[in-house]
Amino acid sequence: KNQVEQSPQSLIILEGKNCTLQCNYTVSPFSNLRWYKQDTGRGPVSLTIMTFSENTKSNGRYTATLDADTKQSSLHITASQLSDSASYICVVSARAGANNLFFGTGTRLTVIP
Amino acid sequence: GAVVSQHPSRVICKSGTSVKIECRSLDFQATTMFWYRQFPKQSLMLMATSNEGSKATYEQGVEKDKFLINHASLTLSTLTVTSAHPEDSSFYICSAARVTSGGANEQFFGPGTRLTVL
Repeated sequence: KNQVEQSPQSLIILEGKNCTLQCNYTVSPFSNLRWYKQDTGRGPVSLTIMTFSENTKSNGRYTATLDADTKQSSLHITASQLSDSASYICVVSARAGANNLFFGTGTRLTVIP
Repeated sequence: GAVVSQHPSRVICKSGTSVKIECRSLDFQATTMFWYRQFPKQSLMLMATSNEGSKATYEQGVEKDKFLINHASLTLSTLTVTSAHPEDSSFYICSAARVTSGGANEQFFGPGTRLTVL
């Protein structure tokens, strides 16, 4: 069964601290993995997209890693800001196409001053 | 580039009425658009896949006669919730597919529409 699981469900950190969000998946065959940021009441915004051959990809203060062997990915946020408070969703594509996406339930991050 | 808009952003309607939500790809042509529904603290759930000029493909459990989808052009898809009931209250998100510069087929999401049925 194709599934995407994220941990933790929620996280509270102090402004300026770093944090790491986890994503485990059982989707097969694997095409790519994406991390999205979703602010409350808004649509998801893409942070990174990684294919099978990519181990790390950065986007500013966001760094995603992918281990295709263990089917795990992480999203590391450095020097967190209040505006980082949002849900972070891991999405795995099963084929080389846009249609077959499997969504994680997300990690709700709250950054406090 | 790759901007997707939705209108309206919020709508409140009475039970039994119909509501239309528009999804537009502003700066690219999208042969395929998708409609999702998201309940509080849950992930996005795909409702249907919409291809320009053809009938939409609905996911299991989604009533096609209740959620009417029209994809009239390469930049516009509409979702009409017919005879809305309070249980239809949800956050509806559309996305549009585009091939990126790297050759990957990627979905770009709209900002969502909050539907409240009284």
